[in-house]
Amino acid sequence: GESVGLHLPTLSVQEGDNSIINCAYSNSASDYFIWYKQESGKGPQFIIDIRSNMDKRQGQRVTVLLNKTVKHLSLQIAATQPGDSAVYFCAENRRNSGYALNFGKGTSLLVTP
Amino acid sequence: GAVVSQHPSWVICKSGTSVKIECRSLDFQATTMFWYRQFPKQSLMLMATSNEGSKATYEQGVEKDKFLINHASLTLSTLTVTSAHPEDSSFYICSIQKITYEQYFGPGTRLTVT
Repeated sequence: GESVGLHLPTLSVQEGDNSIINCAYSNSASDYFIWYKQESGKGPQFIIDIRSNMDKRQGQRVTVLLNKTVKHLSLQIAATQPGDSAVYFCAENRRNSGYALNFGKGTSLLVTP
Repeated sequence: GAVVSQHPSWVICKSGTSVKIECRSLDFQATTMFWYRQFPKQSLMLMATSNEGSKATYEQGVEKDKFLINHASLTLSTLTVTSAHPEDSSFYICSIQKITYEQYFGPGTRLTVT
């Protein structure tokens, strides 16, 4: 069925290294993708988004890459810091589904000193 | 961005009672708000779409008579869990959507039913 999934449930990186979190989606009709960061006991925090007419978008220390050919999305975090430790979710938004978000399972990122 | 608040942040209630959770958009008039539920170590699952001035649209498997949603104004949506049971214990999160499709989430409400 249609789904947004993540390749790795947990990721441990050293402080200062770059982190890459991956996400796969199955519906070619998906046209808008978002990455969220969720700290324990809090609501998801918007990180960065990308529309299907783009393949790369950069923010502050973060980059999202979209490969529509293989239906793959990734979030790159440069110079990972302890404050980046959280669960990261990718989500897709399909216009023909009322604009609600379909969330992936989440990747837990742990940054070690 | 957008600022979204939820009240209460956590609530404990006895089985069989009802609980109301408020979601407020503090700096944006939201025609559409969404309600999600999240169980421990799981992802967010959409429960319903709340539209100002009209009935909410519920996802398959979500009982509309149990989870009452009222979107009374462009800045307030409420979710009432009626006759709550322990299996309704969860983290309830609302979001508002801007015209550009960006969604911003509230801080969540932790519901524990004893």
